[in-house]
Amino acid sequence: AQTVTQSQPEMSVQEAETVTLSCTYDTSESDYYLFWYKQPPSRQMILVIRQEAYKQQNATENRFSVNFQKAAKSFSLKISDSQLGDAAMYFCAYRLSSYSGAGSYQLTFGKGTKLSVIP
Amino acid sequence: NAGVTQTPKFQVLKTGQSMTLQCAQDMNHEYMSWYRQDPGMGLRLIHYSVGAGITDQGEVPNGYNVSRSTTEDFPLRLLSAAPSQTSVYFCATQVLPQANTEAFFGQGTRLTVV
Repeated sequence: AQTVTQSQPEMSVQEAETVTLSCTYDTSESDYYLFWYKQPPSRQMILVIRQEAYKQQNATENRFSVNFQKAAKSFSLKISDSQLGDAAMYFCAYRLSSYSGAGSYQLTFGKGTKLSVIP
Repeated sequence: NAGVTQTPKFQVLKTGQSMTLQCAQDMNHEYMSWYRQDPGMGLRLIHYSVGAGITDQGEVPNGYNVSRSTTEDFPLRLLSAAPSQTSVYFCATQVLPQANTEAFFGQGTRLTVV
């Protein structure tokens, strides 16, 4: 079974600074997707960024970028120029990429990292 | 465009009571699922469905029932609520069979069992 580990329960960053959230995962599969979701106090789950395992290039979305190390099974999220609105719980998640049955669509989540942004 | 709608948003139940959490989507997504979120535990899959008439168990199915009679609706039933079911519940949908597509989440239901 796949597992996702976020080793930092809480982190803080000064406004306008850069912060990196860590995520490691364990899988025997070679083809999969990784995601970072943001959950603000409103509880809404918002997709921040996704990475396809077969792509070596790290995904970027504006101020958000990832450092994907497939061999090390590591998938960290970097937030540049942190803003007050970035304060939220962040979840790393994994999903198989090939449709090998209905169960392959399950998202496996880490336990989350609560990010605080200090003005 | 409503997307994924969960009702109610908040609910307090007494131990032993039953209730149904509703999930409705208007995106014609085949895949629908229920997760529960507990502090320090992330989100865990309860049940899922790949289409009308087809459901299956996820990681934590005990104490919950589901059915899928239409593409749009995927209700989650608690037959006899227990304090251990106090949690925030999320419904999520996705297009099949593309695995790289985004999962869409409802706003969540905060359930407290006393």
